[in-house]
Amino acid sequence: GAVVSQHPSWVICKSGTSVKIECRSLDFQATTMFWYRQFPKQSLMLMATSNEGSKATYEQGVEKDKFLINHASLTLSTLTVTSAHPEDSSFYICSASGTSGRSDTQYFGPGTRLTVL
Amino acid sequence: SQQGEEDPQALSIQEGENATMNCSYKTSINNLQWYRQNSGRGLVHLILIRSNEREKHSGRLRVTLDTSKKSSSLLITASRAADTASYFCATDALGNNRLAFGKGNQVVVIP
Repeated sequence: GAVVSQHPSWVICKSGTSVKIECRSLDFQATTMFWYRQFPKQSLMLMATSNEGSKATYEQGVEKDKFLINHASLTLSTLTVTSAHPEDSSFYICSASGTSGRSDTQYFGPGTRLTVL
Repeated sequence: SQQGEEDPQALSIQEGENATMNCSYKTSINNLQWYRQNSGRGLVHLILIRSNEREKHSGRLRVTLDTSKKSSSLLITASRAADTASYFCATDALGNNRLAFGKGNQVVVIP
């Protein structure tokens, strides 16, 4: 149980385009989803927290107009990187917590590698 | 700023040896968790230890927590090649179930 998927697993796009990444909880209801980014050989940095049906809460320094987050259902959250630039190239990981297991346990997706040319 | 920082370490050991890695953090926490990440993959939750616990075991894993020193250690006993991965600690220091991750420890187990 407690499986989280991400789609796509990797994406290459041209500078200036927008990219949407999906995060799905497959076998539980995710009341809260979290989005992280990870640069090579570095740790995960929390970008934002999204609760189903409400606006996402962004961490300090994260541009909410650049990283659009939608959590429209209890099983799906999306992160859209708008007008992507090469510096946005990173590994984006989502996690979810909710009705599976402990409420304070996050279940992580496999990540999406974004490369912006 | 995010906390749960440990000195990034690269540890290379022989299969069968024990691997120990450390984590330090800066503010009060309710719990601390350890995760494993294989290269280019997502995170796997290993163990959670609460602030009122001092030691916890799970299989070949042993975690300690010293809240007075704001530090934790993860011990992997009888390591296997499959334990090769990066290991991160994370605390709930940000509040509201938000996790602050440390820099990570890269462990290589040589068969």
